Order: sequence, then structure tokens, then C-alpha cells
Amino acid sequence: QLVLTQSPSASASLGASVKLTCTLSSGHSNYAIAWHQQQPEKGPRYLMRLNSDGGHSKGDGIPDRFSGSSSGAERYLTISSLQSEDEADYYCQTWGTAIQVFGGGTRLTVL
Amino acid sequence: EVQLLESGGGLVQPGGSLRLSCAASGFTFSSYAVSWVRQAPGKGLESVSVISGSGTSTYYADSVKGRFTISRDNSKNTLYLQMNSLRAEDTALYFCAKGTVVECWGQGTLVTVSS
Repeated sequence: QLVLTQSPSASASLGASVKLTCTLSSGHSNYAIAWHQQQPEKGPRYLMRLNSDGGHSKGDGIPDRFSGSSSGAERYLTISSLQSEDEADYYCQTWGTAIQVFGGGTRLTVL
Repeated sequence: EVQLLESGGGLVQPGGSLRLSCAASGFTFSSYAVSWVRQAPGKGLESVSVISGSGTSTYYADSVKGRFTISRDNSKNTLYLQMNSLRAEDTALYFCAKGTVVECWGQGTLVTVSS
């Protein structure tokens, strides 16, 4: 079964960096994913598509502070030089044959 | 600029029906799968239904199978979601999204199922 697992919460200080993790279920380690950001009281925004080899393509207007990487079944979203507007929920998402799956989301708090 | 604009949400009684629409612009609509994703109050994102670019293939979450029907009119660049036998647990913000890799989101339309 295709499942994405995310930690419910993360925190980091203003100006620091943070690395969020999304884990693919067993047998699906070669899947690409997408990362989405949802700021409070707003709709989701597409950040990037992230392949199993770490290659990624970002959405329009996404700052260079946002980057992606991969290792095995883990997919990472790194945000550097954290700003207050980065405080949001971050969701990973993948897809298979006739299926679309979201992770449970990670709430990032900027201290 | 890619835009997705949902409409059709509202307050409906349990057992009732609603039809959501999503008007797309800024891309070749028929070349992309499109989907409905919902978010219940205080909860995460849940894929509801996906339809291929041609409309010949569809996917439904188990929670809505047999009650919801996704369709599209490529001549009008519009996506639909017919929702029947609505339940309280269908209350959510419903988003239209471009692609199975969701590359663009609409702003959402609120569906409230309550007596």
C-alpha cells in the first residue's frame, strides 16, 4: 500500500535552516513526490516535484531558499534562512496507478 | 497564468446533493489530469477523485466511491464533481488541482453538510 509518512511538527529559529522528511512506504522507494506549502488560512501552494535521485523542479516564484533531496525512501524539503512567512503546514504527495496520496503534513513553527 | 476557479459549494442537508465546478485557464486543459482534493476543518489534505485528460480514466477515494462522480468538459475547460448522498463527514473545503503531480491549486469552495 502506497503511504507517505511525515512528522506532525517541526520547529526552527528565524534565519536558521530546517529539513522536513517524507518517507515512502516499503516497495515504493523509487517514487517521485511533490511538496506543497499551506500557510495559515490559505490554500495549498505547489513548491516542487522531487525525484528519487534528488533532482527537483520548483514551481513558479518559489525562492531558492527551498530545496529538495532524496535518500532511499526518504524525501527531504530543506528551507534555509527561515522567515516568518515560512511558518506553515507542509505536505508531501505522490501518485501511482489510479491513486493520489498525501502525507499527513508537518506543521512548521518558526521561533 | 494558470488559474483554477471553483464554484458550487454551499450548505446542504445530509442526504442531499451538490455539483462543484472548476473553471480552468492558462494551460491546455485536455492535456492534463485534474483532481478534487478536500480538507476537513483542522485536518490534512485528502484526495477525493482524479480524472485523466481524456476523461476515460477516473479514481475515487473509498470514502466517496459510489456517491461522487467526477467528469470534465474539455470544450469548456471545466471540471465537475457531482456529490450525492452527502454526509456530515463530507464537510470540507474542496480544491480543484492540476495534474496527478499537483502543480497548481484553486482557492477552494466550502461544502457544509448539516441539518
